[in-house]
Amino acid sequence: ETGVTQSPTHLIKTRGQQVTLRCSSQSGHNTVSWYQQALGQGPQFIFQYYREEENGRGNFPPRFSGLQFPNYSSELNVNALELDDSALYLCASSFAGDSKNIQYFGAGTRLSVL
Amino acid sequence: AQKITQTQPGMFVQEKEAVTLDCTYDTSDPSYGLFWYKQPSSGEMIFLIYQGSYDQQNATEGRYSLNFQKARKSANLVISASQLGDSAMYFCAMRFMNTGFQKLVFGTGTRLLVSP
Repeated sequence: ETGVTQSPTHLIKTRGQQVTLRCSSQSGHNTVSWYQQALGQGPQFIFQYYREEENGRGNFPPRFSGLQFPNYSSELNVNALELDDSALYLCASSFAGDSKNIQYFGAGTRLSVL
Repeated sequence: AQKITQTQPGMFVQEKEAVTLDCTYDTSDPSYGLFWYKQPSSGEMIFLIYQGSYDQQNATEGRYSLNFQKARKSANLVISASQLGDSAMYFCAMRFMNTGFQKLVFGTGTRLLVSP
């Protein structure tokens, strides 16, 4: 196990609703990245948080937002849910001072939008 | 643009045999990292092995080794002595720097099935 925990494991929402996904980083890690994995595809980078600030973002609209807390845990918020938001959402933590910068992933939250 | 290509949608191997999963990449950056992850049906992405672009030797981690051919831009994963528990999706990923942050770009994955 990596020590990265995500909650909830599964979630069902309806179109237009809002959702919050949570992630606890591995001990000693200061960076959190979020990825969206649609069925049958590889994960796509959403954004990354370091020192409680968003320091990088992928090709996702502003209704995808996040937070990082002083204990390095993080939240992913999605507003105005669309059917295409149905996916596995993966959180990864890493240590910015590591030259390899290996990202360790949690088990993900599977979101279904009806 | 950075891109990872995995051309094998599925691979079959018998238990105790070795298997090679292919990965090619495209980048113009001189500094990058290459990763392989395993994703069982449970969904968790499990880190397997890392290769840096400046590393002179191929990376090895237990039964996993990475066949890194820089000139050909390939980073194939070799699993020796396959086990039933190796059945999973395998993703190749590349890390690159982009204006102060580092993100992973993943391929589409290869599903490995190990049979008794």
